[in-house]
Amino acid sequence: EAGVAQSPRYKIIEKRQSVAFWCNPISGHATLYWYQQILGQGPKLLIQFQNNGVVDDSQLPKDRFSAERLKGVDSTLKIQPAKLEDSAVYLCASSLEGGWQIGVEQYFGPGTRLTVT
Amino acid sequence: AQSVAQPEDQVNVAEGNPLTVKCTYSVSGNPYLFWYVQYPNRGLQFLLKYITGDNLVKGSYGFEAEFNKSQTSFHLKKPSALVSDSALYFCAVSKTGSSNTGKLIFGQGTTLQVKP
Repeated sequence: EAGVAQSPRYKIIEKRQSVAFWCNPISGHATLYWYQQILGQGPKLLIQFQNNGVVDDSQLPKDRFSAERLKGVDSTLKIQPAKLEDSAVYLCASSLEGGWQIGVEQYFGPGTRLTVT
Repeated sequence: AQSVAQPEDQVNVAEGNPLTVKCTYSVSGNPYLFWYVQYPNRGLQFLLKYITGDNLVKGSYGFEAEFNKSQTSFHLKKPSALVSDSALYFCAVSKTGSSNTGKLIFGQGTTLQVKP
């Protein structure tokens, strides 16, 4: 089966510019996650969707970050305006619907490496 | 608050020798525990998990991990290391129960270097 797809793979922008990332989860996976991985650290959850509804966005900096999953399939994560500290790898992951309830693993995409200059 | 600690930034081992990558966690209640591996310029790849039952779980590529509830640890092990095992390894935990949303809390990662 095809894995989690993300684009672009790399992006370089200047601070105060905006940027958007795209994710297409594994077919049939209702739960979608966006993580931020800063160099030298483990991934940190930004937002979790169940179909097109938000389950957890407690760590999303809502003044500058937004995410949507309008049709319950693919998703976009946007940063506007970007700051230097947003430089990181943004990982998308997916899992089966309700999989967290029984400890089903998440499947990760290759990530988008964002550099803010 | 939930947390995961990987006390070693890097583990060095010779090919053919056994390896251990350590992980301890702090979470209320019973946890789900996971190990993921990350190769350069690639996403995280699932290795194994502990949900319930036998404390020794086996996963991909010959890896195994031992859950120790009293020590709140979930160390990753392999009897004989390969050079191709060299990568960045992450331990992660999620809560169980009604408040569980599947959110994974990751450790900071341990770089495994296997030398020929």
